[in-house]
Formats: sequence, structure tokens, C-alpha cells
Amino acid sequence: ELKVEQNPLFLSMQEGKNYTIYCNYSTTSDRLYWYRQDPGKSLESLFVLLSNGAVKQEGRLMASLDTKARLSTLHITAAVHDLSATYFCAVDGSGTYKYIFGTGTRLKVLA
Amino acid sequence: DVKVTQSSRYLVKRTGEKVFLECVQDMDHENMFWYRQDPGLGLRLIYFSYDVKMKEKGDIPEGYSVSREKKERFSLILESASTNQTSMYLCASSISGVQETQYFGPGTRLLVL
Repeated sequence: ELKVEQNPLFLSMQEGKNYTIYCNYSTTSDRLYWYRQDPGKSLESLFVLLSNGAVKQEGRLMASLDTKARLSTLHITAAVHDLSATYFCAVDGSGTYKYIFGTGTRLKVLA
Repeated sequence: DVKVTQSSRYLVKRTGEKVFLECVQDMDHENMFWYRQDPGLGLRLIYFSYDVKMKEKGDIPEGYSVSREKKERFSLILESASTNQTSMYLCASSISGVQETQYFGPGTRLLVL
């Protein structure tokens, strides 16, 4: 059974600091997705990582994928309050339509 | 922009009622999905559909059914609502293919009393 684990589950950080969210998954998968969810709102796609070694960056967020380690990271650089949200990673179920989502990391950036 | 809409943002129903949640997407996507989101459990797939009149069970289909009569519309049905179905329900769609980004609707927060 494919499992996706994120850590930490909760993260409170000061503005200007750097931090990394980790996403581990249990079986082989070629693609990994990162989503953001603001309170009371739906999920918004951030990144699609397509292959081993893939790195994508958007503003203060950078995501990477290591398929051999079955690990993706979402790195936050010089955090700002607007990044406060819940971040989910998701892995496709190896040739199926199913996504398996992590439990999410709730990020709070303090001014 | 892809737009996925859901019929209600908030819904309150009584135990035993039949509940219909509607989802419509305007981008001619083949695939549509229903998830429920609960604190600490992330998103769990209830059902998905990869074509009109086609449906597949997800991880937690018990107590739910779906209908897809038209390509743009995917309905989730709670045959007899129970309190443990109180949750946030999210609809998503994607283009054809098994590894495409899913686009999510705003969600329906359902409370079953």
C-alpha cells in the first residue's frame, strides 16, 4: 500500500527564516505534486516534479525530488507571512488515477 | 483558467437524509474526482471517473455513490447521511491521462446532525 508521510505536521517560523518540509513515500513513483491550501479554501497546484533530480522554484519556494530515496522537499527561503498555509504533497499511484496525499504541513509564519 | 465549481459551500443535513453534492468543471476534462478532507487524515479519494458514465471506487467508497451523466458534471451522493460523514468534500478534475495535475473546486463543508 502506498503511503505518503509529511513532516513536520505543524511548523511555526519567524519571518525571514529558512525551513524545509519533507515528503516521504513508500513505493516507486515518477511524479510528485505539491499543493497549497489557504484556510477555508481549496487546493492550489504549486509544483509538479516529473523525474528524479527535478527541481522547481517559484518565488520563495523550491521543490525537489529524489525518486531513489523516495523523498521530496519543499524549501522555504526567507519566509514571509503570506506563505502561511497548509502544504500537501501527493504521489500518483503508479500508473493509476489515484493520488495519495500526505497529511499536510500547516505552516504559520510569524511577523 | 480551469474552473471547478461545487454547488454548495456549506450544507447542514440530518441523519438518514439523501444528500447530493454537485461538481461542474468548464475545461472539458475527462477525469473527475471526489475526495473528503478530515483533520489529520489529509485527503482521501472516495470515487473517480475517467469518462462519462464510468466510475471507479477510491479508498473509502462505503456509504457513497456517484453519477456522471455528462462530461462536465460529477455528482457525489450520500445515500443515507450519517454523522461520520461530516467532513469537507473536495471535487477535482484533470485532463486525460493518469499523471496529470488535478484542479480542485472550493469544497463543500457538510455537517450531518
